[in-house]
Amino acid sequence: GENVEQHPSTLSVQEGDSAVIKCTYSDSASNYFPWYKQELGKRPQLIIDIRSNVGEKKDQRIAVTLNKTAKHFSLHITETQPEDSAVYFCAASRRNNDMRFGAGTRLTVKP
Amino acid sequence: DGGITQSPKYLFRKEGQNVTLSCEQNLNHDAMYWYRQDPGQGLRLIYYSQIVNDFQKGDIAEGYSVSREKKESFPLTVTSAQKNPTAFYLCASSPATGYGYTFGSGTRLTVV
Repeated sequence: GENVEQHPSTLSVQEGDSAVIKCTYSDSASNYFPWYKQELGKRPQLIIDIRSNVGEKKDQRIAVTLNKTAKHFSLHITETQPEDSAVYFCAASRRNNDMRFGAGTRLTVKP
Repeated sequence: DGGITQSPKYLFRKEGQNVTLSCEQNLNHDAMYWYRQDPGQGLRLIYYSQIVNDFQKGDIAEGYSVSREKKESFPLTVTSAQKNPTAFYLCASSPATGYGYTFGSGTRLTVV
């Protein structure tokens, strides 16, 4: 089955700096890689996703990159703001299979 | 509330009791999932269902049971066989497996 590892487990940055979270996956057949943001006490929400036929995707201050050969993908947040503080989860799945999540990264953006 | 509703928000269980967590969606999604979230451990899959009347065990299915009699509903029963049920339970749905999830707001279960 799929195994997803996520690093770092905690990340603290100064407001305005960039943050990078990295994930690796084990199943070469995985073709869908979403990222979720979970604020304290709330449900996870999808913030960006990428499919295996694309190497990079951007949405305003957020970007995701995918290296299928190395089986790793990363979340990049630029110009961080205090409201970016949350736990971020990466995940990997393939069609007709369940999704597996990383253990999460707690991001703190200091004003 | 985002098209997927979990109830109750908080639930207290006595030792030896079975309790059922509700999950309903009006998104017309085929697939539904139950995850357990413990502090620092991310989301672990309990059960998932791709179609009505069919479901598969996830990584931590022992002590839990589910049913999928209707497309909209995927209730989770936490049985007395689950020795450490105190956790935050999240239900999710997707158009099919391999697509992004919509999560419910969760149920926090505490054993008293």
